[in-house]
Amino acid sequence: KAGVTQTPRYLIKTRGQQVTLSCSPISGHRSVSWYQQTPGQGLQFLFEYFSETQRNKGNFPGRFSGRQFSNSRSEMNVSTLELGDSALYLCASSSTSGLAVQETQYFGPGTRLLVL
Amino acid sequence: SQQGEEDPQALSIQEGENATMNCSYKTSINNLQWYRQNSGRGLVHLILIRSNEREKHSGRLRVTLDTSKKSSSLLITASRAADTASYFCATEYRVNYGGSQGNLIFGKGTKLSVKP
Repeated sequence: KAGVTQTPRYLIKTRGQQVTLSCSPISGHRSVSWYQQTPGQGLQFLFEYFSETQRNKGNFPGRFSGRQFSNSRSEMNVSTLELGDSALYLCASSSTSGLAVQETQYFGPGTRLLVL
Repeated sequence: SQQGEEDPQALSIQEGENATMNCSYKTSINNLQWYRQNSGRGLVHLILIRSNEREKHSGRLRVTLDTSKKSSSLLITASRAADTASYFCATEYRVNYGGSQGNLIFGKGTKLSVKP
């Protein structure tokens, strides 16, 4: 089975712009979670989607949003970019919903976003 | 913060030696997972241990879980230069009759350096 894929791998944006990141989960997985990793805050949970519904959300401002399509692919969007949004954005897929006891989450390679 | 704590923050050893990393967490969990990350890339899942398990092995990896002390340890035996990476523990907290909080809570990680 192919692993979790994320596109693009690298991205440079300027403050005030918006960005859309894409994640394709492992075939058959219906849960996609997004995490932000920065040197200062470490790995922080953004949100989780299961069957096109947002099931759980972390403590991030409304500028961070996401969605999931019927084929389980997911996108996250960050509007009005700030310098502090520079980070590695990781998505993970799992066969179960976050509200059930989780099985292993498999992570993609990440999208490195730099905001200038 | 809900994050777990790994210690040490950094560990430097010689090839062939064993490496032990510890993780502490704060509330009841359903399971605990260990991940490896090479130089800012995606997370690679190493092992999942459930709350009713005390020890688990996978190749050169041995994980223990002590729920009374809310701690876990990861032992890498006969380390190799290729084991150089950051290692993270991630917990899935238990809520409401055994359900899940719905996302992984990561520690800050232990940076392991294995010198040839």
